[in-house]
Amino acid sequence: GAGVSQTPSNKVTEKGKYVELRCDPISGHTALYWYRQSLGQGPEFLIYFQGTGAADDSGLPNDRFFAVRPEGSVSTLKIQRTERGDSAVYLCASSLLSGNTIYFGEGSWLTVV
Amino acid sequence: AQTVTQSQPEMSVQEAETVTLSCTYDTSESNYYLFWYKQPPSRQMILVIRQEAYKQQNATENRFSVNFQKAAKSFSLKISDSQLGDTAMYFCALWDSSYKLIFGSGTRLLVRP
Repeated sequence: GAGVSQTPSNKVTEKGKYVELRCDPISGHTALYWYRQSLGQGPEFLIYFQGTGAADDSGLPNDRFFAVRPEGSVSTLKIQRTERGDSAVYLCASSLLSGNTIYFGEGSWLTVV
Repeated sequence: AQTVTQSQPEMSVQEAETVTLSCTYDTSESNYYLFWYKQPPSRQMILVIRQEAYKQQNATENRFSVNFQKAAKSFSLKISDSQLGDTAMYFCALWDSSYKLIFGSGTRLLVRP
């Protein structure tokens, strides 16, 4: 596609439920990033993929969070046993090569009630 | 650890005037990139301008320019001839060999008619 695409745009879920957020990067981009942005704050790094492998997952807050990119393109961020504190906008971004300009999607707004 | 600091939570400017947003950063690397991103209410992060640390010349993109002071680790954004459409959150960000984009906390800019 022309840009980074994220689905769903908005998701409301109950505490304790499982959630999947999808990211479709710009075609041909090898690097893919997930960020989390809480209200009024800057985005915080979660995980970075180079191809299919997670090159750096040091930003994942705990083991309830997991992300995959099985074919080196689409990525899914998975959150188990959601908590109210997980409520945030989850941003996905991609770049052609590490260090090149990083392009962001519009984000998935997750609300845990 | 890399850090990015934006000390101005909010700024206001009259339409057609000039405003400067401040950013300081810290990294132990000699090769890195600096960015300014704009985030309107639509949530999508839009790249405004990019600066490579090895380049002494300040980057310019139309009405947007930066003042890059490498020794002082300062990277300010100047917006000339401000327009109503410039109203948004502005984030300063640092990328180095850690392959992460580290963001500041943002500056909310309001352009007054």
